[in-house]
Amino acid sequence: GAVVSQHPSWVICKSGTSVKIECRSLDFQATTMFWYRQFPKQSLMLMATSNEGSKATYEQGVEKDKFLINHASLTLSTLTVTSAHPEDSSFYICSAISRGRAGQPQHFGDGTRLSIL
Amino acid sequence: DQQVKQNSPSLSVQEGRISILNCDYTNSMFDYFLWYKKYPAEGPTFLISISSIKDKNEDGRFTVFLNKSAKHLSLHIVPSQPGDSAVYFCAAIGGTSYGKLTFGQGTILTVHP
Repeated sequence: GAVVSQHPSWVICKSGTSVKIECRSLDFQATTMFWYRQFPKQSLMLMATSNEGSKATYEQGVEKDKFLINHASLTLSTLTVTSAHPEDSSFYICSAISRGRAGQPQHFGDGTRLSIL
Repeated sequence: DQQVKQNSPSLSVQEGRISILNCDYTNSMFDYFLWYKKYPAEGPTFLISISSIKDKNEDGRFTVFLNKSAKHLSLHIVPSQPGDSAVYFCAAIGGTSYGKLTFGQGTILTVHP
C-alpha cells in the first residue's frame, strides 16, 4: 500500500532554533500534501495545504512566516518551524494524496514530536 | 466551530462484543466521510469510508452507517478485538476543498479481553 515517510520522528531543541520536518511519499506521486498539528487529547488540526510547485495555502490563524512549507517535488514536502518557542511544541503530522477519484483516503506519516525547551 | 463532532471521548467494550463509535457533523456540503484509527505517536491509518450517496459500507469487521437527514454516522466493529484498542477519528471532506479533511475530536476505544 501507499507509504508516507516523515522524518524526524522526535526533535528536542532550544528556543529560537529553526526545525525542518520532511514528508516523503515513497511509492506514489503526491500532488497534494497536508500538514496537521495535534495537541494532547485534541483532534488533528489542519495547518496548511501544499500543492507541488505552488505556494501553500494556510488555514486561518496559522502564521505562514512561522511555518514555512515547501513542496518542491511530487515526493517531498517540508515544514520548517522558524525560531521555535515552547508554545510550538506539539505533534506534527503530514499526509499526502495524488489526484484521483474524489474522497480517496489520505495517507499519513507517523508524525513528528517537537519539544522546544 | 467544530463541524465534525465525536461526543464520546472514550468507549470500553468486552472482546467479542460490538463497538459502536458515533460522529455528528453540521456541514451539509460534506460529501465523503472517513474513519481513521490512530495509535499513540503514530499517524492515523485509514479504515473505511462512505460516500454521501450511500447509507452503508462494509469491509470485514467494519461497517460504517450514514444518516444524512440526521447528519450522523457511526462505525460498527464486530466482533471487537483487543488489537482494536486505539483512538478512532471520523473525518469529512466536502465542497470545493479537495482532499481537505475535517476531523472530529476522536474516541478512545478500549477492548478488554
